[in-house]
Amino acid sequence: EAQVTQNPRYLITVTGKKLTVTCSQNMNHEYMSWYRQDPGLGLRQIYYSMNVEVTDKGDVPEGYKVSRKEKRNFPLILESPSPNQTSLYFCASSYRDQSDTQYFGPGTRLTVL
Amino acid sequence: LAKTTQPISMDSYEGQEVNITCSHNNIATNDYITWYQQFPSQGPRFIIQGYKTKVTNEVASLFIPADRKSSTLSLPRVSLSDTAVYYCLVDPGSSNTGKLIFGQGTTLQVKP
Repeated sequence: EAQVTQNPRYLITVTGKKLTVTCSQNMNHEYMSWYRQDPGLGLRQIYYSMNVEVTDKGDVPEGYKVSRKEKRNFPLILESPSPNQTSLYFCASSYRDQSDTQYFGPGTRLTVL
Repeated sequence: LAKTTQPISMDSYEGQEVNITCSHNNIATNDYITWYQQFPSQGPRFIIQGYKTKVTNEVASLFIPADRKSSTLSLPRVSLSDTAVYYCLVDPGSSNTGKLIFGQGTTLQVKP
């Protein structure tokens, strides 16, 4: 089944403890991106990747890192999480770029205490 | 990227037709208009995309006037399960930026 998977789905952590949220797609898509969703602010793009080893900042990249060593994986790294990063995170992928249909993962709900 | 404006929220009743309008005054020649639907605690999913006039699929219709400065998503005979957030996006058919802006969307509440 074609899909985007994220792990973990739920995570509660403490300030400053490094964490990684994994994202994987099995559709051989070139474009992948990360979003955070907060009440009243909608979906905001954190980082995106046009292809392997090519990543770029979205609208809210501060406090996050990403990597794209393989085409199928696009992990989101929080080196030193803070409470203001408590949010619902979505990973998405598409065939070529942002103008193609985006396929979203199920989301990761992160709480930073 | 073209900015879009859509109502924050709308209410409707089961069986009614719902029209959600999105303004995109600075839409460019190469831009397409795309709508996504998001159910609570799920990722958005693609509904429909168009460039001009009218597009229809099994889920919705998209009406785009000649000047393309706005578009209207039409959901026929909504049911409770259509309660969701609807996002209007304007993105270039070809762009080197890679950015995609979803905004706040329109929260549609369908009542019995």
